[in-house]
Amino acid sequence: DVKVTQSSRYLVKRTGEKVFLECVQDMDHENMFWYRQDPGLGLRLIYFSYDVKMKEKGDIPEGYSVSREKKERFSLILESASTNQTSMYLCASSLFSRAFTYEQYFGPGTRLTVT
Amino acid sequence: GENVEQHPSTLSVQEGDSAVIKCTYSDSASNYFPWYKQELGKRPQLIIDIRSNVGEKKDQRIAVTLNKTAKHFSLHITETQPEDSAVYFCAASNSQAGTALIFGKGTTLSVSS
Repeated sequence: DVKVTQSSRYLVKRTGEKVFLECVQDMDHENMFWYRQDPGLGLRLIYFSYDVKMKEKGDIPEGYSVSREKKERFSLILESASTNQTSMYLCASSLFSRAFTYEQYFGPGTRLTVT
Repeated sequence: GENVEQHPSTLSVQEGDSAVIKCTYSDSASNYFPWYKQELGKRPQLIIDIRSNVGEKKDQRIAVTLNKTAKHFSLHITETQPEDSAVYFCAASNSQAGTALIFGKGTTLSVSS
């Protein structure tokens, strides 16, 4: 059974703080993704990574950065948190293939509140 | 880049009725179209997907149809049950380009008994 875990379910931070959200998967998946979920806006892709130390921008990368030092771990970093980054953050992972898209497995989410 | 539009945003049906959710996509190179279901307070999970070489796929009470010419695909749920109540997301991607999934904004389905 694929397991994707996120470091916190709920997080409250102050404006201007540096915030780290951690995601770990235990199925040796090459691909990892970070989304934010807001009511009425669906799942918007922030960044994804298809290999260690590789990263690709998604639709809304501004204000975020990522780190993938190990295959199983993908971190989302908010360099200077702002109130408009209050949201639910979802991590996901999947196998990688150049010819085939595989199912994404999601973590439980981190609800981040920036005050 | 790819853009996925999903309609309706909310859908209310009576138990036993059918429900249909429709999505359109913009990139004609997209070739993979999954549907994810997210129950309240839970993580999204894949329920069915279709690839561009197939026009229809069925799994028990759910089915997905794809019209590549018109660039739209639909989710059909028959004999709806209260446990079908959830948010449903469609998505599209171009596997060969290695692009990530682009999701629609979601449809909140409510099934009342």
